[in-house]
Parts: sequence; C-alpha cells; structure tokens
Amino acid sequence: GNSVTQMEGPVTLSEEAFLTINCTYTATGYPSLFWYVQYPGEGLQLLLKATKADDKGSNKGFEATYRKETTSFHLEKGSVQVSDSAVYFCALMNSGGYQKVTFGTGTKLQVIP
Amino acid sequence: DARVTQTPRDKVTEMGQEVTMRCQPILGHNTVFWYRQTMMQGLELLAYFRNRAPLDDSGMPKDRFSAEMPDATLATLKIQPSEPRDSAVYFCASGLTTGQGGETQYFGPGTRLLVL
Repeated sequence: GNSVTQMEGPVTLSEEAFLTINCTYTATGYPSLFWYVQYPGEGLQLLLKATKADDKGSNKGFEATYRKETTSFHLEKGSVQVSDSAVYFCALMNSGGYQKVTFGTGTKLQVIP
Repeated sequence: DARVTQTPRDKVTEMGQEVTMRCQPILGHNTVFWYRQTMMQGLELLAYFRNRAPLDDSGMPKDRFSAEMPDATLATLKIQPSEPRDSAVYFCASGLTTGQGGETQYFGPGTRLLVL
C-alpha cells in the first residue's frame, strides 16, 4: 500500500536559516506529491505540488522536486521567517481518479527571531 | 475567496450523546472528504464522497459513525453514541475531480470535539 515517511519534528530554526524537511514515499504507479501546511487552529492548506517525475513545485519561497529515483519530495526554503512556523505534511495521491490522499505524520516547524 | 465552512467550530458533549457536524463544500466541487486528526493517530480518512455518493467509508467505525450528503451543499458526520475516544478535530475537505490527477483538497477550519 501507499505510505509517506517524513522527518520527525519538532524542527527549531532561527529566522533566515535554511530549511529542509525530508519526505520519502512508497506507492505504485505514478502518484502526485503534495506539501500541505497547517497553521495553529486552522485546517490544512496546499503549499505546493508536483504531478510527475522531475517536476518542481514552488510557492512562497518553498520548493520541492519530485525525485522518482529516490522516491523523495523534500521541502526546502532558503530563508525561513517566524511566520513560517506551522506543521508541514507531505502527502501523495495515486493516479487513476480516486482522490484518496495518504498523509505523512507532519513535521512541526518553529522559527525563532 | 471560496472556502469550506464547518459548524460547529467547537463542541463539548457528554458520553452517550449524539453529535452532528456539518460541512458546506466549495460551490462546484464534486468531492468531499471527512478526516479526523488526533495527536496519536495523525490524520485519518473517515469518508469520501464523489457527486454525493459514498465511495469509501472504510476508515469510519460503522457502529457509531455515519456520513451523508443530503444535497450538494451539505455534508454531515454523525456520531451516536459519542465516546471519550472520539475527542479529536474533525476536518471536512472538498475538491474537484478533473481526471488529470493531482487535484487539490481544500480543508475547512475543523470542528474541535470534546466528549466528556
């Protein structure tokens, strides 16, 4: 079956530090990959996505590249801000029309001034 | 800016009581999902509807939980009777199936349920 493994948190960084949150997956076929973000007291919202191998998703300074050879979709940002403090979820959706999403366990990021 | 709405935002109830949570998906979306989030289990899919038809409710405890879509603008999740272990945040999400894959799910703000 499908599974998503992401690095354990919490991750604590100083403002302007470089961020990497690792994500690897197991799936059949050619899934789409996502990063969702959850701010305190809110629902998840899409941060970025990639639908095929070697695609790069990007948004708000965050980037992730779909690496099929390593089954990975690591999230990166060059300079984090306090406002980036949130929980980040890596997720996958199989192709074929059934929209069930498999989520990772989430990584909490805390950015300190 | 279209959003998924959920009511109530917070609910405190006593064990054995019925709980009903409501969700209004984004107008025009044809899929609705119910998730439960807890610290221990993370995000769990409870039910999935497409064009108002239930496609997957394998994650839902059948003896006490039920999910319906009486019309395209309303999805409900009921727990009867409720138990303390049902305490969690329940999220509704909606989306639009295009057949292309990679469809985004749009989450509501959640209903925080506490069963005493």
